[in-house]
Amino acid sequence: DAGITQSPRHKVTETGTPVTLRCHQTENHRYMYWYRQDPGHGLRLIHYSYGVKDTDKGEVSDGYSVSRSKTEDFLLTLESATSSQTSVYFCAIWSSGVADTQYFGPGTRLTVL
Amino acid sequence: AQSVTQLDSQVPVFEEAPVELRCNYSSSVSVYLFWYVQYPNQGLQLLLKYLSGSTLVKGINGFEAEFNKSQTSFHLRKPSVHISDTAEYFCAVRRTNAGGTSYGKLTFGQGTILTVHP
Repeated sequence: DAGITQSPRHKVTETGTPVTLRCHQTENHRYMYWYRQDPGHGLRLIHYSYGVKDTDKGEVSDGYSVSRSKTEDFLLTLESATSSQTSVYFCAIWSSGVADTQYFGPGTRLTVL
Repeated sequence: AQSVTQLDSQVPVFEEAPVELRCNYSSSVSVYLFWYVQYPNQGLQLLLKYLSGSTLVKGINGFEAEFNKSQTSFHLRKPSVHISDTAEYFCAVRRTNAGGTSYGKLTFGQGTILTVHP
């Protein structure tokens, strides 16, 4: 599982409240990603990071921000949650060596009422 | 930019029957190809990948896929499925590292739900 954990695993929140999801990895990977999964859309990239304090937008970044102050943690923040952000959120790392593969965390199910 | 189309959103099949899940991609640059599986209420697990070499790739759980560059396809096959193969399957692509870094970013298809009936 490449040592990836996500917290919380489940969250229910109200529209307009801020929400922060945490991704933690234990294997010192440089590249980390946040995806959202919605039926009929597969997984879509929200933001990614290629090092500490180095981040960039993915294809569905509106309404989301990220931070990476240390290698092992990648935070996803919804500044003011909306019902359209109800989704399952996955964190991933890229093992860019011999494996050359992305590995995924267990996911966070977020419901915005 | 790349795009991935999984041609079937749902595939029902009986146990011990063969199955093919279809994946086509579009890209202006050369790509690597991946298949992931997601069992109910779990994260994604890598089934197999094509990076280079033989175009027939074998993965875990008896699955295999064939990269067809001329048809821009990467269909997933299994000769005999089990109940335990019931899951959602995702095809994904990533540009190769030639000509610059991809930052490892994947583009996913919409997913195919495989349901195996007894």
